[in-house]
Amino acid sequence: KAGVTQTPRYLIKTRGQQVTLSCSPISGHRSVSWYQQTPGQGLQFLFEYFSETQRNKGNFPGRFSGRQFSNSRSEMNVSTLELGDSALYLCASSPDRGPGQPQHFGDGTRLSIL
Amino acid sequence: GQNIDQPTEMTATEGAIVQINCTYQTSGFNGLFWYQQHAGEAPTFLSYNVLDGLEEKGRFSSFLSRSKGYSYLLLKELQMKDSASYLCAAYSLMDSNYQLIWGAGTKLIIKP
Repeated sequence: KAGVTQTPRYLIKTRGQQVTLSCSPISGHRSVSWYQQTPGQGLQFLFEYFSETQRNKGNFPGRFSGRQFSNSRSEMNVSTLELGDSALYLCASSPDRGPGQPQHFGDGTRLSIL
Repeated sequence: GQNIDQPTEMTATEGAIVQINCTYQTSGFNGLFWYQQHAGEAPTFLSYNVLDGLEEKGRFSSFLSRSKGYSYLLLKELQMKDSASYLCAAYSLMDSNYQLIWGAGTKLIIKP
C-alpha cells in the first residue's frame, strides 16, 4: 500500500509570491490534516479536511488555505509569502476522524522563502 | 490553555534504557500519541494510550497517568538507529472539535 505522497519535496519562493502544495493520502483514508513544522516549535496544526469539507482549523492567518477533492487528495495554498513561512509542511492522513486514529505522515514539502 | 511539555534533548548509551517524559494540560483529553521522527523524514506512529497504565510493544513501552497529566516513552536495549526525535501529542477538545496538540519533540542522541 502506497504511503502519503507530498509534492513537491522542496520549494524555493520569494516574499509576496504564492505557493500550492499537494498531498495524496493513503488509499481509503478520508481525513487529511496539514501541519507546519519549524525547529523548536513542534508541529503546528493548520487544518483538517474530511469529505471535501474543512472540519477543523488551527490558529493561522487567512493567507493559509486548503481544499480537498472527491478522491481525498488535498492541496494547501499560501498567498503573499513571508520569510516566517519558511518551514517543513507535513500532510497526514487517517482512515476516519476523531480520537484514536493514528495519523500517517508524508515526507513533507520543505518551503524556503528568500 | 493547552500545553504539552517534553525535554528538548536527551543523551543515552547504546544498550541502555531511556525514559522520555511528556506532561500535558489539555481540556477534554482523549488519548496520547507517541511518534518517532528521524532527521529529514516523516514522523512515524509508535503508540497510543487512552487508559492509565503501561503498554509494551517490543523494545518500546508507553505509560499514561490521566490523573497526573503525564506520559512517558521507555526505550530499552537502545540501538544507534533509535537516534531520532520523539514527539508526544494529546487529543484535546477545542471548539467542539478534537484536535491533536503536539509537543516540540525530544531529540534523543545515542552514543556508542
